[in-house]
Amino acid sequence: QKEVEQNSGPLSVPEGAIASLNCTYSDRVSQSFFWYRQYSGKSPELIMSIYSNGDKEDGRFTAQLNKASQYVSLLIRDSQPSDSATYLCAVNKGYGGATNKLIFGTGTLLAVQP
Amino acid sequence: DAGVIQSPRHEVTEMGQEVTLRCKPISGHDYLFWYRQTMMRGLELLIYFNNNVPIDDSGMPEDRFSAKMPNASFSTLKIQPSEPRDSAVYFCASRSFRQGKDGYTFGSGTRLTVV
Repeated sequence: QKEVEQNSGPLSVPEGAIASLNCTYSDRVSQSFFWYRQYSGKSPELIMSIYSNGDKEDGRFTAQLNKASQYVSLLIRDSQPSDSATYLCAVNKGYGGATNKLIFGTGTLLAVQP
Repeated sequence: DAGVIQSPRHEVTEMGQEVTLRCKPISGHDYLFWYRQTMMRGLELLIYFNNNVPIDDSGMPEDRFSAKMPNASFSTLKIQPSEPRDSAVYFCASRSFRQGKDGYTFGSGTRLTVV
C-alpha cells in the first residue's frame, strides 16, 4: 500500500464547475496535510495546508480533512482553464513538524475545459 | 527573497559520468530536502538535512548517490557513476520550522538526462 494515494486522472471538468480532488494516506499518526499545484515543466507550489478535521477555505479552494477515514480532499470552485495542472497531495509523517518527512502522492491531473 | 536556487537547470551526461547538482536554500531556512520526480514514481524524498546535518537518507537509492551540505547556504547531490535510470527531475526544497512556515518551498529543479 502506498503511503499517499491519489487517482492519477485525468479529471476533466467544464469551466465554472467544481473540481473535487481526493487523497488517502496510510499513516494514522500523520498530522500535517498539504496540497501542491504543479504546472507542466514547473516546480510544485503550495496552495493549501490543513491540520485539523473539517474544512479550511481560501478563496476558491477548500481543503477537507477526515483523520478517522485518513482522507484529504481539495475542492476548487468556479474552475478556470488556468487551474489545469497536476495537484499533489502531501503528508507530513509524525507529530507536528518533528519528523519533517513530507511524502507526496503521485498527483491528479486536472483539465478544465473552456 | 530569491527563493531556492538550483543549478544547472538541465544536464545531459553520458552513462558512467559523475553528475553534481547544486542547491542554495532560502536564507534562514534550517531544513533542506532533495527530491526526485519521475512519471512512474512521482516525487520521492531522497534525503533531508537539518542545520546542515543529514537526518534521513533512507530514500537515497544506492551508494552511487551522495549528498552534502557544507554550510547553511549550499548543498550538493552527486551521482557517480550515473546510469540512464537516474534520468529524472531533481528538486531541492527548503523550510523554516522556527518561523512556522507551512510546507516547503521548491527550487525550479534540475532535469537530468543520462544517455
